[in-house]
Amino acid sequence: DAKTTQPTSMDCAEGRAANLPCNHSTISGNEYVYWYRQIHSQGPQYIIHGLKNNETNEMASLIITEDRKSSTLILPHATLRDTAVYYCIVSGAGGTSYGKLTFGQGTILTVHP
Amino acid sequence: ETGVTQSPTHLIKTRGQQVTLRCSSQSGHNTVSWYQQALGQGPQFIFQYYREEENGRGNFPPRFSGLQFPNYSSELNVNALELDDSALYLCASSLGARELFFGEGSRLTVL
Repeated sequence: DAKTTQPTSMDCAEGRAANLPCNHSTISGNEYVYWYRQIHSQGPQYIIHGLKNNETNEMASLIITEDRKSSTLILPHATLRDTAVYYCIVSGAGGTSYGKLTFGQGTILTVHP
Repeated sequence: ETGVTQSPTHLIKTRGQQVTLRCSSQSGHNTVSWYQQALGQGPQFIFQYYREEENGRGNFPPRFSGLQFPNYSSELNVNALELDDSALYLCASSLGARELFFGEGSRLTVL
């Protein structure tokens, strides 16, 4: 699986958009970009995933650059409950590889009042 | 609330002992993955079970073993515990979809 690079930490004001970047320059054509987050003392929570098109769901938006070498997770209106470690993961598409994720260190997002 | 339950939530063992951790997957999910998360680190993939067969393994020694039962629940067994095995052990279930549902984990302390 391709390696990802994320900033160690970021801050965001409550109510503002949080934009979390991720570099994955060695991503291959059939690898997806996944985002998970982990709130303190809880298990990771799935947020969103994408292949090449931008994606949006009720939690967030995922913007993937045209060359697929980087992506940005956008939380449109951050709340205090969004304070967590956010993991960007690149993983293969085949078979049951969905469960075999390689987590890095992630980005600690702190949302301030 | 993901529907994935793990037990026990916390336990303390001593070096050399054996431990069994249990995971009840979300209803109907036939794939269970286990992860180890050391303090301050991201989760590390241990292995995955699909329809009762091991289907992929991370860089963990053979003393880490597992089982999946016909109802798709799963166990993680660790023999000859070492101090470095102290970690949060996470179970995640899925049903052929890209979204994994994680439990809250079992926190193991090895003294």
